[in-house]
Amino acid sequence: AIRITQSPSSLSASTGDRVTITCRASQGISSYLAWYQQKPGKAPKLLIYAASTLQSGVPSRFSGSGSGTDFTLTISCLQSEDFATYYCQQYYSYPWTFGQGTKVEIK
Amino acid sequence: QVTLRESGPALVKPTQTLTLTCTFSGFSLSTSGMCVSWIRQPPGKALEWLARIDWDDDKYYSTSLKTRLTISKDTSKNQVVLTMTNMDPVDTATYYCARIVYPHAFDIWGQGTMVTVSS
Repeated sequence: AIRITQSPSSLSASTGDRVTITCRASQGISSYLAWYQQKPGKAPKLLIYAASTLQSGVPSRFSGSGSGTDFTLTISCLQSEDFATYYCQQYYSYPWTFGQGTKVEIK
Repeated sequence: QVTLRESGPALVKPTQTLTLTCTFSGFSLSTSGMCVSWIRQPPGKALEWLARIDWDDDKYYSTSLKTRLTISKDTSKNQVVLTMTNMDPVDTATYYCARIVYPHAFDIWGQGTMVTVSS
């Protein structure tokens, strides 16, 4: 199975900050990577698919980049509603796998 | 509007078989490119993909859980069913179903259903 290493596991940031989360795949996955946002008690929400394509309705302050093994989610200007846990997920090969999550907390 | 909703028992005993149903609307699982997956999340832990069924009835399973899982669909009822045998307390989790529009990721999720395994 492809392992996804996500970092950091948590971070503290302030509103207005630029935040970067990374995922590294144990082998190349082309651009078959998605990013999700999950708030407590809620289902995950798709933010980005195909590594860099913004899902409809998602604010443009979210962006994704990378291909192969290294990927990045960037929130350009953190808003109060962005405090949540973020997961990456590869859908290049089975079994599909998720990163361990990054909790973005208020500083 | 696309929606998915999970249903099933909130509590199962160890060794029992869990049956979960995902009832969806706003799309048809007979349409080319449509797929539904199950994902679970133990309390305080990360997401884990379990299984997927496609419009053409192709099925895919988690390697580690393959022997315990069965996924099926009833297109006429707009339902996908997941069964998991030999339940154990470590299977305690929130179970989600989600839609995939091939070849992309999970674009719409259900609200999830919490399943506790305890005697």
